Amino acid sequence: DQQVKQNSPSLSVQEGRISILNCDYTNSMFDYFLWYKKYPAEGPTFLISISSIKDKNEDGRFTVFLNKSAKHLSLHIVPSQPGDSAVYFCKAAGNKLTFGGGTRVLVKP
Amino acid sequence: SQTIHQWPATLVQPVGSPLSLECTVEGTSNPNLYWYRQAAGRGLQLLFYSVGIGQISSEVPQNLSASRPQDRQFILSSKKLLLSDSGFYLCAWSNLPPDTQYFGPGTRLTVL
Repeated sequence: DQQVKQNSPSLSVQEGRISILNCDYTNSMFDYFLWYKKYPAEGPTFLISISSIKDKNEDGRFTVFLNKSAKHLSLHIVPSQPGDSAVYFCKAAGNKLTFGGGTRVLVKP
Repeated sequence: SQTIHQWPATLVQPVGSPLSLECTVEGTSNPNLYWYRQAAGRGLQLLFYSVGIGQISSEVPQNLSASRPQDRQFILSSKKLLLSDSGFYLCAWSNLPPDTQYFGPGTRLTVL
């Protein structure tokens, strides 16, 4: 039972354009969401988070949007840079900790 | 500042052999500790988590076990490895709230 899903396994975007990563969840008890970035053969690193009392959180080029009624969150990276090429995981926290399956982003120069 | 260590970085083991992976955290007290596995081409699977010494919760049934003999030490073990145990093992810690996890560098385990 996947409570957190990232339906796009991969995404390719041109440098300077916007990357949009999506994440859907089913458990309404989740009240905190996080995005992690992972390079090959390394541990994930925390990127940005959002509490369920907010609908948007911005940190530099990264913005996370939360739509509670749709149980959907998204990560926007603007502008995308080649160094952003990595796998991105969304995580939901609440009564459980659950990671999505990840989205591999490739930013082309 | 807090740091998290994992070793070894890579490990090649035959089927049926034992396993011991170690994780230690510095710079924080009473952290929550986690073991994850990332199989090839797949997402992060939570294996175990611990909220204190000797307190281990298992998320999936398997031939792996975990122990927390000290506050900042977390060990992943197996008595007999299976081929399906191959993967990238990650240790993480967090303090609540907020529940941001910080990951170690990982151990690449190949079971032959």
